[in-house]
Amino acid sequence: AQSVTQLDSQVPVFEEAPVELRCNYSSSVSVYLFWYVQYPNQGLQLLLKYLSGSTLVKGINGFEAEFNKSQTSFHLRKPSVHISDTAEYFCAVSEGGQGAQKLVFGQGTRLTINP
Amino acid sequence: DTAVSQTPKYLVTQMGNDKSIKCEQNLGHDTMYWYKQDSKKFLKIMFSYNNKELIINETVPNRFSPKSPDKAHLNLHINSLELGDSAVYFCASSQERLAGGDTQYFGPGTRLTVL
Repeated sequence: AQSVTQLDSQVPVFEEAPVELRCNYSSSVSVYLFWYVQYPNQGLQLLLKYLSGSTLVKGINGFEAEFNKSQTSFHLRKPSVHISDTAEYFCAVSEGGQGAQKLVFGQGTRLTINP
Repeated sequence: DTAVSQTPKYLVTQMGNDKSIKCEQNLGHDTMYWYKQDSKKFLKIMFSYNNKELIINETVPNRFSPKSPDKAHLNLHINSLELGDSAVYFCASSQERLAGGDTQYFGPGTRLTVL
């Protein structure tokens, strides 16, 4: 069975500082990996996803993530954060070839940007 | 135009009542989902429909019944509401092209409070 662990429940960062949100997954088959963001009182929207190919994936709003198969990780990074990045971030995994996509989410990481 | 919409946005009701949440997507997607987000922000899939056919049915009490009148709509009916049903319910949709790698588009959520 798939599972996702987000290692930090909260990450406080100063504005313009770099940030890394950590995600580890477990799965017995090949996987697709996702990062979704949830701004306050809103639904989730996709930041980026890894399907195959290059292990460095670039997403919206200056975020990127690196897929590391040997460490089963998919950490999210941004070199310089902005106040508007304050949100809840969710890492998710799905297995391929299963018909309707079944996303398994991590527990979420609350990113708080301080001025 | 809103891609995935849900009504109502807020729902406050007494224990034992029956209520419905409606979801509509105008993206032309074949697949729709219901998720439950608990008070700790943990997000878990409940159901998935593809072209009006139930594909994913997680271990959800049978008081919850999804209904899909057409592929653009997926409603959630809940009988005999309990305190533990209080949560935010998200609808989502996707176009199943990548067998697990598709982006899901989420609605704004319905905050259900059971008193």
